[in-house]
Amino acid sequence: DAKTTQPPSMDCAEGRAANLPCNHSTISGNEYVYWYRQIHSQGPQYIIHGLKNNETNEMASLIITEDRKSSTLILPHATLRDTAVYYCIAYQGGSEKLVFGKGMKLTVNP
Amino acid sequence: DGGITQSPKYLFRKEGQNVTLSCEQNLNHDAMYWYRQDPGQGLRLIYYSQIVNDFQKGDIAEGYSVSREKKESFPLTVTSAQKNPTAFYLCASSPRGGVRYTFGSGTRLTVV
Repeated sequence: DAKTTQPPSMDCAEGRAANLPCNHSTISGNEYVYWYRQIHSQGPQYIIHGLKNNETNEMASLIITEDRKSSTLILPHATLRDTAVYYCIAYQGGSEKLVFGKGMKLTVNP
Repeated sequence: DGGITQSPKYLFRKEGQNVTLSCEQNLNHDAMYWYRQDPGQGLRLIYYSQIVNDFQKGDIAEGYSVSREKKESFPLTVTSAQKNPTAFYLCASSPRGGVRYTFGSGTRLTVV
């Protein structure tokens, strides 16, 4: 699976959109981009995933660049409960398991 | 409600003792996983199982053992051979072939 790179942390004001970047310059054509988040002392929670088209669900939107070398997770109206560590993972079907890096700590401030 | 249950939430053991962490799911998922998390670190895979009576080592399997006798259950034993067992342990499950994991709430193990 391709390696992903995220900044270690970022801050966002409550009510504003949070745009979380992820670089995956070595991603292959059949690797998906998955996003999970982990609120302190809890198990990670699935957010969204995509291959090459932009995706949206009730939690977030995922924007993948045309060359697929990077993506952005968008939380449209961040709340204090969105404070968590966010993991961006490149996954190739068939490997049967996810590899979690250190992720990125998002702090939503009042 | 379907979900995945880990117990206990906190566990204290003396050095040199084996300890078993419980993980039960009622999601009818075929695959189950154990991860370990140390402070400020990501998750590292210990063992995983795609089907009953079969499991594979992950990246840090030394000092751990598992069994998968039932689809619903995937207990993890931390043996005395694990040199630094104090950590946060997370269990997850998913449909076979998929990686939309559902995680449990974790067990925090402290060895004194």
